[in-house]
Amino acid sequence: DAGVIQSPRHEVTEMGQEVTLRCKPISGHNSLFWYRQTMMRGLELLIYFNNNVPIDDSGMPEDRFSAKMPNASFSTLKIQPSEPRDSAVYFCASSRGQGMAEAFFGQGTRLTVV
Amino acid sequence: DQQVKQNSPSLSVQEGRISILNCDYTNSMFDYFLWYKKYPAEGPTFLISISSIKDKNEDGRFTVFLNKSAKHLSLHIVPSQPGDSAVYFCAASAILKAAGNKLTFGGGTRVLVKP
Repeated sequence: DAGVIQSPRHEVTEMGQEVTLRCKPISGHNSLFWYRQTMMRGLELLIYFNNNVPIDDSGMPEDRFSAKMPNASFSTLKIQPSEPRDSAVYFCASSRGQGMAEAFFGQGTRLTVV
Repeated sequence: DQQVKQNSPSLSVQEGRISILNCDYTNSMFDYFLWYKKYPAEGPTFLISISSIKDKNEDGRFTVFLNKSAKHLSLHIVPSQPGDSAVYFCAASAILKAAGNKLTFGGGTRVLVKP
């Protein structure tokens, strides 16, 4: 298995632009997580899905952030409009679902908003 | 409010010696605990886990200890190797007591193993 695949690996964008991060979870996994890593806040959970349904989005910082999972093999995290303080590494992770907490992470997308 | 805390941001140890990483949690709902290892420019990778029904789990050079009354867990690496140099994250989940399996992470401890 190729593992969790995220794209792009790096994204540099100007303030105010829309940014879309993409994730393909491991086949057969039915839980998907979006995390953000910053120096100040460490690894924080933004949102997670179970069977394509958002279960907990309490970590989404603002209405500028939105996430979708249209099917079991694809998810997006969108920031519109982006701001410099959104600069961080965004990780997607997947796991086999309830009762199995071990999550597998992608390599992350390093987002820089200038 | 940080529910999972790693109070030591960094640790330096000589090759061959023991590395001890500590983690404290506040949420009594947590019943499953994990350690992840992270190299630069990579995602965290799962290392070892422990359920709240146990107080010790061992896998090769890695052992995790859980003290539920103190809400404290630790990771022992022995012997430490230069390849162990990385950032280690403690994580916790409330699988049995709550729906869902989301992980709450600590702030990480950077380990440097000196040859």
